[in-house]
Amino acid sequence: DAGVTQSPTHLIKTRGQHVTLRCSPISGHKSVSWYQQVLGQGPQFIFQYYEKEERGRGNFPDRFSARQFPNYSSELNVNALLLGDSALYLCASKADLNTEAFFGQGTRLTVV
Amino acid sequence: GQQVMQIPQYQHVQEGEDFTTYCNSSTTLSNIQWYKQRPGGHPVFLIQLVKSGEVKKQKRLTFQFGEAKKNSSLHITATQTTDVGTYFCAGILSNDYKLSFGAGTTVTVRA
Repeated sequence: DAGVTQSPTHLIKTRGQHVTLRCSPISGHKSVSWYQQVLGQGPQFIFQYYEKEERGRGNFPDRFSARQFPNYSSELNVNALLLGDSALYLCASKADLNTEAFFGQGTRLTVV
Repeated sequence: GQQVMQIPQYQHVQEGEDFTTYCNSSTTLSNIQWYKQRPGGHPVFLIQLVKSGEVKKQKRLTFQFGEAKKNSSLHITATQTTDVGTYFCAGILSNDYKLSFGAGTTVTVRA
């Protein structure tokens, strides 16, 4: 069985640009969440989607947006990139809202 | 907002020794999960605790959930080099299914 897949694995962007990160959950999982992990810190919650509806949003600016598609895959979009957006972006797949989370390998975003 | 604190931030352990990492929440939790992240890797689920006072064991790892469901601990006995990594607790509130992670305890092992 394929685990959670994220693309791309690494990305370098310039300040002011926008970026789209993609995530495919484990087959059969209906919940996808996005987290931002800065070096030396724990993952910070950005969004959670369940059955294609937003079910939670963390304390991130409106530059961050996401969506979940009918096949349960998800995209995270970040506009007007800032240097401080440089981080590891993790996608987590869950079978249901209150079950264990399976994380992908993450996308390492560097903003220069 | 909800805050989850973990101590210590770093734990340097002699191989074969025991250690404990602690997690405290500012609010009562519905349940708590523990994850391990190896250097350069992603968080991997270890356990979920749901009931007040619950204790679960996985080989050399013992997890506890406090009676008030506001704190938790992870105790590792006879530490091995394979235990190296960062251990995170993540709290979940009722009706709010997001994971609120602590800052983690980074464990290094001296052989």
